This record gives sequence, structure tokens and C-alpha cells, in this order.
Amino acid sequence: DAGVIQSPRHEVTEMGQEVTLRCKPISGHNSLFWYRQTMMRGLELLIYFNNNVPIDDSGMPEDRFSAKMPNASFSTLKIQPSEPRDSAVYFCASSLGTQYNEQFFGPGTRLTVL
Amino acid sequence: EDQVTQSPEALRLQEGESSSLNCSYTVSGLRGLFWYRQDPGKGPEFLFTLYSAGEEKEKERLKATLTKKESFLHITAPKPEDSATYLCAVPGDLNTGNQFYFGTGTSLTVIP
Repeated sequence: DAGVIQSPRHEVTEMGQEVTLRCKPISGHNSLFWYRQTMMRGLELLIYFNNNVPIDDSGMPEDRFSAKMPNASFSTLKIQPSEPRDSAVYFCASSLGTQYNEQFFGPGTRLTVL
Repeated sequence: EDQVTQSPEALRLQEGESSSLNCSYTVSGLRGLFWYRQDPGKGPEFLFTLYSAGEEKEKERLKATLTKKESFLHITAPKPEDSATYLCAVPGDLNTGNQFYFGTGTSLTVIP
């Protein structure tokens, strides 16, 4: 069974460009999480969806960040415009249930904003 | 205020040398304490969930324990393949809604 799928695996872009990260959760899972990992701040939860509905977006750093989950098998995280301080590894995770259950992480997208 | 604090930041062990990693938390009304393992270039991988003080869980050379203020991950007779970063995490308390907080991790290196 395929795990969480993320694309692209690596993204290099210039400041001011729009960046879209994609995630396909494990089939049957009804919760999806977007995280950002940096050396300075560690792993931070950006947004949490349950049954395709955003439940908590308090971790989204600013209005430049937005996330959507149009259906149970796809989610996007968009940064517009991107800035160098957005450089990080972005992980998507899914779980069966809520944030109180085991989360399965994807391989991550390494974003570099020049 | 940090919800989760891990120590030490890094740990080097000889193969077979047992030790413990610490995770202290400040959330009230704990709704689970989670341990994950992260290998370089990969996403975290779930290890354990503990829910109440006194609870213990084991998996191969790893044993996780929980008290009212902290959790320990005991590593018995580690092998080089146990080298990884170990992360603990907790859901936020009722004031923080549905947040989920990870510690900064302990980077473990086991030397053959």
C-alpha cells in the first residue's frame, strides 16, 4: 500500500514566485496535516484538516500561505509570494481519526527560495 | 512557552551502551504523548503513544515510559541502525485548540 505521496520532492525558486506543494494522503485516512521543519524551529504544524475541512490553521505563518483540500485524496499548500525565510522541508502527514492518532508522514518537499 | 522540551540535543553511544532520552512537557490534561523516529532525509516514523502516568510500551530495544511531567525513551543495547533523531510530541491543551507540538529532538548516534 502506498504511503503519503508528496510532490515535488525538491523545489528551488526565486523570491516572489508562487510555490505549490502537493500531497496525496493514505487512502481511507480522514485527517491531513501540513508541517514545516527547520533547524531553528524544528517541526511545526501549519494546518490540520479533518474530513477535508480545515480545523486549525493557527500555525500558518502569514497570509502568504494558504492550503486547500478539495477532496479526500488531495491537498495543496501554496506560498505566494515566496520569501527566502520560507526555505524549509515541508511535510504532509495523514491519520485515521484525529491528531490524537498515529500520523503517517510523507517524504517531504525541500523548498529553497533564493 | 515551549510545550515540549527534549534532552539531550545529541547523544553518542557505543554499540551496546544503554541510555535514556528525556521529553518533558507542560501541557495540562495530557491527551497522549507521541514518540517518533526520523532518519535523515525522511519523514518522521511513529513509534509509540502513551496516555497515562505509569504506562510503558516496548518495541525491540526501545521502551517508552510516562510520568506526570515527562517521558523517557530507554534504549537498551543499541545498535548502529538505531542511529536517528527521536522526536516526542503532544497535542496542545484546551487553550491551544487543535495544535500539535513537536520537540526539537535528540540526535542519537550509535558507534559500532
